[in-house]
Amino acid sequence: DGGITQSPKYLFRKEGQNVTLSCEQNLNHDAMYWYRQDPGQGLRLIYYSQIVNDFQKGDIAEGYSVSREKKESFPLTVTSAQKNPTAFYLCASSIVAGNQPQHFGDGTRLSIL
Amino acid sequence: QQPVQSPQAVILREGEDAVINCSSSKALYSVHWYRQKHGEAPVFLMILLKGGEQKGHEKISASFNEKKQQSSLYLTASQLSYSGTYFCGTAIFQGAQKLVFGQGTRLTINP
Repeated sequence: DGGITQSPKYLFRKEGQNVTLSCEQNLNHDAMYWYRQDPGQGLRLIYYSQIVNDFQKGDIAEGYSVSREKKESFPLTVTSAQKNPTAFYLCASSIVAGNQPQHFGDGTRLSIL
Repeated sequence: QQPVQSPQAVILREGEDAVINCSSSKALYSVHWYRQKHGEAPVFLMILLKGGEQKGHEKISASFNEKKQQSSLYLTASQLSYSGTYFCGTAIFQGAQKLVFGQGTRLTINP
């Protein structure tokens, strides 16, 4: 079955450490997205990518970085510059960027030790 | 720019109806609705495009009033499986490359 796989499900970060969240899709979608979810705040867009080797900042990109070297993969790195990284991170994809249904992964919960 | 959803939370008994609203301060081209159960991925329900179209999905339907810049999600004869948090995502023009999501409405259905 096609879908989006995020790993790991739970992740712990020490102070000053960078961590990378994995997102892989086999839906043959061109567009991919990263969202951050905090209690009571909905989904906030971190980065998105319309095609390979291209990506754009979302509303809360500071302290995060991404790459899109393959169509199937869109990893997110939470850097030490992100001072409040504890959150639930969701990856999504759609056929093309814009007014198309987005398919979400099961998320990664990041906590600070 | 974030759309505002109301109510923030609602508790129903099985079989009752609910309405969830999504309002924007900007003119909208489309509204997307998603449902997320606790600890799970959001699941797409439907898209409504500019034009006041109403759509349905089982006993869940939605309307889009572009003049009021508002969409409403209707859940009829609610079932236990309808419990979760509902999000609207909005796009302000046809070529928009991203959605802006509301803060969510938590719906609890009790037996």
